[in-house]
Amino acid sequence: DAGVIQSPRHEVTEMGQEVTLRCKPISGHNSLFWYRQTMMRGLELLIYFNNNVPIDDSGMPEDRFSAKMPNASFSTLKIQPSEPRDSAVYFCASSLDGGVGTDTQYFGPGTRLTVL
Amino acid sequence: AQKVTQAQTEISVVEKEDVTLDCVYETRDTTYYLFWYKQPPSGELVFLIRRNSFDEQNEISGRYSWNFQKSTSSFNFTITASQVVDSAVYFCALSEARGTDKLIFGTGTRLQVFP
Repeated sequence: DAGVIQSPRHEVTEMGQEVTLRCKPISGHNSLFWYRQTMMRGLELLIYFNNNVPIDDSGMPEDRFSAKMPNASFSTLKIQPSEPRDSAVYFCASSLDGGVGTDTQYFGPGTRLTVL
Repeated sequence: AQKVTQAQTEISVVEKEDVTLDCVYETRDTTYYLFWYKQPPSGELVFLIRRNSFDEQNEISGRYSWNFQKSTSSFNFTITASQVVDSAVYFCALSEARGTDKLIFGTGTRLQVFP
């Protein structure tokens, strides 16, 4: 079975450019999460969707960041304009959300973003 | 407030040694979930175990075992007879059962196993 798929795996861009990260969750999973991992802040949740609806976006750092989930099999995280401090590994994760307690989150391979 | 503490930043062992990774958590909820994830050098996050707060039984999976003690708010992870392939960063995480499924991660413990 395919796991969570993320693209691109690596992205190098220049400051001020728009960056779009993509995620395909595991088929049948109802919840999708975007995380960012940096040396300074560790793993932090940016935004969480349930049934394609954003539930908690309190972790989104600022208005330059936006996320969408137009359907159950696709989500994007966009940074516009990008800044060097956005350099990090961005993970997407999905969970079944069977409605009973907390389901296990399965992570994609991550996108390593470098903003020059 | 919920919090996960992994006090050990880095551990180095020689192959075949046993090693225990500590995890201490804080939560006000009586229902919560604890997780361990492994992040090998390749960078992906691999799920290892999920435990709910009502199940204090220890678990063993091959060379891996987990010791959950509510009395000390700890969920420690032991690797028996470590191998070089165990070298990775290990994260402990907590989720409170409030319907958001939000994971709070510890800062991770980097384990290096030398041949």
